Amino acid sequence: GENVEQHPSTLSVQEGDSAVIKCTYSDSASNYFPWYKQELGKRPQLIIDIRSNVGEKKDQRIAVTLNKTAKHFSLHITETQPEDSAVYFCAASRDNFNKFYFGSGTKLNVKP
Amino acid sequence: DGGITQSPKYLFRKEGQNVTLSCEQNLNHDAMYWYRQDPGQGLRLIYYSQIVNDFQKGDIAEGYSVSREKKESFPLTVTSAQKNPTAFYLCASSIQGWGYTFGSGTRLTVV
Repeated sequence: GENVEQHPSTLSVQEGDSAVIKCTYSDSASNYFPWYKQELGKRPQLIIDIRSNVGEKKDQRIAVTLNKTAKHFSLHITETQPEDSAVYFCAASRDNFNKFYFGSGTKLNVKP
Repeated sequence: DGGITQSPKYLFRKEGQNVTLSCEQNLNHDAMYWYRQDPGQGLRLIYYSQIVNDFQKGDIAEGYSVSREKKESFPLTVTSAQKNPTAFYLCASSIQGWGYTFGSGTRLTVV
């Protein structure tokens, strides 16, 4: 089965700095990679996703990059704000199976 | 509340007792999932169902059971065989090829 590893487990940045979270996956057939943000005590919310036919996708301050050859993908948050503080999860799936494998999460702390 | 509702929000279980967590969605999604979340361990898949009257075990199915009699509903029973059930349980649904919509979760505590 798929194995998704996520680093770092915790990340602390100053407000306005950039944050990068990295994930690797093992199954070369995986072709859909969503990222979720989970605030304390709340449900995970999809913030951005990328498919294997695309190398990069941006949505305002958030971007995701995918390197299929190396089997890794990354979340980039620019101009971080205190409200970006949360736990972020990456995931991978073959979309015809639709079963996601999640990374272990990164706790991002943005210091004002 | 996002089209997928979990209840109750908090649940307390006594030793040896079975409890059932509810998950209902009105998104017309075919697939539904149950995940367990423990601190520092991310999300682990318990069971999933891609169609009514069919479901498959995930990575940590022991001590749990599910049913999928209706498209909208995917209840999870935590049985007495689950020795360490204290956790946050998340239900999710999806259409094929797209990301999950999660419920708001049920926090289960053994007392």
